[in-house]
Amino acid sequence: DTGVSQNPRHKITKRGQNVTFRCDPISEHNRLYWYRQTLGQGPEFLTYFQNEAQLEKSRLLSDRFSAERPKGSFSTLEIQRTEQGDSAMYLCASSLERHNQPQHFGDGTRLSIL
Amino acid sequence: AQTVTQSQPEMSVQEAETVTLSCTYDTSESNYYLFWYKQPPSRQMILVIRQEAYKQQNATENRFSVNFQKAAKSFSLKISDSQLGDTAMYFCAFTMYNNNDMRFGAGTRLTVKP
Repeated sequence: DTGVSQNPRHKITKRGQNVTFRCDPISEHNRLYWYRQTLGQGPEFLTYFQNEAQLEKSRLLSDRFSAERPKGSFSTLEIQRTEQGDSAMYLCASSLERHNQPQHFGDGTRLSIL
Repeated sequence: AQTVTQSQPEMSVQEAETVTLSCTYDTSESNYYLFWYKQPPSRQMILVIRQEAYKQQNATENRFSVNFQKAAKSFSLKISDSQLGDTAMYFCAFTMYNNNDMRFGAGTRLTVKP
């Protein structure tokens, strides 16, 4: 068990650029979640996958955001035409499908928009 | 909608003493899970303890225990024999029984003083 891995750890980009983050979940976990965390706040749910199916999306996930998990393993989160307000820590978590199984979090990707 | 409230933005405790962090939540569901997560500075969020709503017995993990009051919708965390390594942000979190999205409180920043 190598834990949830997220890349890159930090991303600095200019406003208007596109960015993509990657998450590799714990290998046997079939559920994968994306959260956004701004400074001094708790994480906010963005979306989750069960295997390759994206089953739920928060209203926070605007049209500029897209997430994929094509083979049910790693996932990518893309933000198009980034805005200042997108600056945040983006956290990925994974879990088993069974009830009461906790979500295991990665270190996150910190996005800074110049 | 489920909401989680942590009314103590910051707390401090002397090493070896006991501290209690408060959390209240709002839900109309009867089956759900509650969690406390710890996020040390610039480090990964890790699970401290979890409670299943259908269990009346309070969960305990070594120095960490909870006081779960279902009728009052209260879920406090008690840390006994506080250690310097307990310094972190602590987040209370809630998930429905099917564990789709996790709702977090705003967090309590705990500082353990030597």
